Amino acid sequence: GESVGLHLPTLSVQEGDNSIINCAYSNSASDYFIWYKQESGKGPQFIIDIRSNMDKRQGQRVTVLLNKTVKHLSLQIAATQPGDSAVYFCAENPSNSGGYQKVTFGIGTKLQVIP
Amino acid sequence: NAGVMQNPRHLVRRRGQEARLRCSPMKGHSHVYWYRQLPEEGLKFMVYLQKENIIDESGMPKERFSAEFPKEGPSILRIQQVVRGDSAAYFCASSDGQGGTEAFFGQGTRLTVV
Repeated sequence: GESVGLHLPTLSVQEGDNSIINCAYSNSASDYFIWYKQESGKGPQFIIDIRSNMDKRQGQRVTVLLNKTVKHLSLQIAATQPGDSAVYFCAENPSNSGGYQKVTFGIGTKLQVIP
Repeated sequence: NAGVMQNPRHLVRRRGQEARLRCSPMKGHSHVYWYRQLPEEGLKFMVYLQKENIIDESGMPKERFSAEFPKEGPSILRIQQVVRGDSAAYFCASSDGQGGTEAFFGQGTRLTVV
């Protein structure tokens, strides 16, 4: 659903461990999802996306999993590094209807990597 | 650089002044979103515009805030009579308006009201 002015949940991970960041979405008709990374003082940047005809997609050190049954997305980061410290947002952009499509963002999760 | 351009990057205004934030979308994009972000918080949707049209302004405060995206030129987010509570980072994103595609973000404008 839409983000609201709430404080971000935080995930602390030891350097070298794997990180899993979760996101629940609200629109059962959504068929396209994106993960963004926002470093301190910068705008969100695209990391990886997935369409609803897939349940898993892998990139470099990142994997996105999609569970349409429970409307849940997760982002897995392998061998987490200090440079991964950032806020991570999931977003959905349904493509199933006509007219404009509004990208909707989740609240975000702050990832802190402990050296 | 064909990315989303926002200016200024930093803006300082005294209480009661007006703030104008500009956003030039990516080349080929005709849809613009504005978001506000307070420190340690998520992105809060404000308004979604298409060229010359406001599509969704459900996140905009009813007073003092307005947005436009004219046929020519950048999208403008205007805040009149700023107050200290308006201090935040304002991000603009653009998309091609099609479903199933990503939105691209600018670097944001950090507004400080003194």
